[in-house]
Amino acid sequence: DAGVIQSPRHEVTEMGQEVTLRCKPISGHNSLFWYRQTMMRGLELLIYFNNNVPIDDSGMPEDRFSAKMPNASFSTLKIQPSEPRDSAVYFCASRAMGLANTGELFFGEGSRLTVL
Amino acid sequence: GESVGLHLPTLSVQEGDNSIINCAYSNSASDYFIWYKQESGKGPQFIIDIRSNMDKRQGQRVTVLLNKTVKHLSLQIAATQPGDSAVYFCAENMRSGGSYIPTFGRGTSLIVHP
Repeated sequence: DAGVIQSPRHEVTEMGQEVTLRCKPISGHNSLFWYRQTMMRGLELLIYFNNNVPIDDSGMPEDRFSAKMPNASFSTLKIQPSEPRDSAVYFCASRAMGLANTGELFFGEGSRLTVL
Repeated sequence: GESVGLHLPTLSVQEGDNSIINCAYSNSASDYFIWYKQESGKGPQFIIDIRSNMDKRQGQRVTVLLNKTVKHLSLQIAATQPGDSAVYFCAENMRSGGSYIPTFGRGTSLIVHP
């Protein structure tokens, strides 16, 4: 299996622009998580989905952030408009239902976002 | 006050030494714990886990100890190798709606000198 695939790996944009980050979870995994990692705050959970349904989005910092999971193999995290303080590495992670009792997450390699 | 987030705690060891990385968790209701390793430019990877009904679990070259009384975890790495250099995170997990939801600690940077 190719693992969790994220794109783009790097994005540099200007303040005010829309940013869309993409994630393809591991096939067969039915839970998907979006995390943000910064030096100041570490790894923060933004939102997670079970069976494509958003379960908890309390970590989404503002209305500028939105996430969707239209099907089991694709999710997006959108920031509109972006701000310099959104600069971070954004990770997507997935988990199989059979492993729900263990909680082990499989992470992608992250999308490094820089907002100028 | 604490400069939260400006610098990760760092542990420097010589190759071949044993390493001990510590983690304090916050929620006494957490009943499942995982250690992850994050190499530069990559996402965190699972190392070892432990449930709250255990106080020790061993893997290959790694041992996790859990002290629920003081809400403390440690990760011991035997015969540390340069390839072990990474940031290590502990994650506490609480059940929420039938799923385990992980909350990550701040991380410790392990530097192994050859």
